[in-house]
Amino acid sequence: GAVVSQHPSRVICKSGTSVKIECRSLDFQATTMFWYRQFPKQSLMLMATSNEGSKATYEQGVEKDKFLINHASLTLSTLTVTSAHPEDSSFYICSAKTSGGKTQYFGPGTRLLVL
Amino acid sequence: GIQVEQSPPDLILQEGANSTLRCNFSDSVNNLQWFHQNPWGQLINLFYIPSGTKQNGRLSATTVATERYSLLYISSSQTTDSGVYFCAVGVNSGGYQKVTFGIGTKLQVIP
Repeated sequence: GAVVSQHPSRVICKSGTSVKIECRSLDFQATTMFWYRQFPKQSLMLMATSNEGSKATYEQGVEKDKFLINHASLTLSTLTVTSAHPEDSSFYICSAKTSGGKTQYFGPGTRLLVL
Repeated sequence: GIQVEQSPPDLILQEGANSTLRCNFSDSVNNLQWFHQNPWGQLINLFYIPSGTKQNGRLSATTVATERYSLLYISSSQTTDSGVYFCAVGVNSGGYQKVTFGIGTKLQVIP
């Protein structure tokens, strides 16, 4: 149980385009989902927290207009990287929390390369 | 915020050897997880272990919450164990747990 999937697993795009990453909880309802970013050879850093049906809460230094987060249902959250640039190339990982629970379950990650 | 330190930062092992990875944290935590990130980047949860000892095959973990550290033991290492091992601590904050990751230990197991 408690499986989280991400799609796509990897994506390559041209500079200036927008990319959408999906995070799904497959066998549980996730009232809260989290988005992390990992730069090469670094640890994972929390970008934002999204609650179903409300606006996401962004960590300091993360541009909310650049990283659009939508959590429209209890099983799906999306992260859209708008007008992507090479410096946005990174590994993006989501996690999800069950309603009433506190443990986060992590997805396998999405590797984004912006050319 | 809470600080999470992992040691050693890098480790090279001969296949078959044993190893211990350490995670120190600066404050009380409500949860602690060990992850293995394989060379393709996939993050795999190994243990949820806020306290006590757990074992899963060749891997085991011990967390001593009162002394603010956790250990991950890898026995009879295999080349497939290569990758980065992360310790992540969770602290309850409002309605959810804020998770902070350590910098990781990069393990390379050579044949």
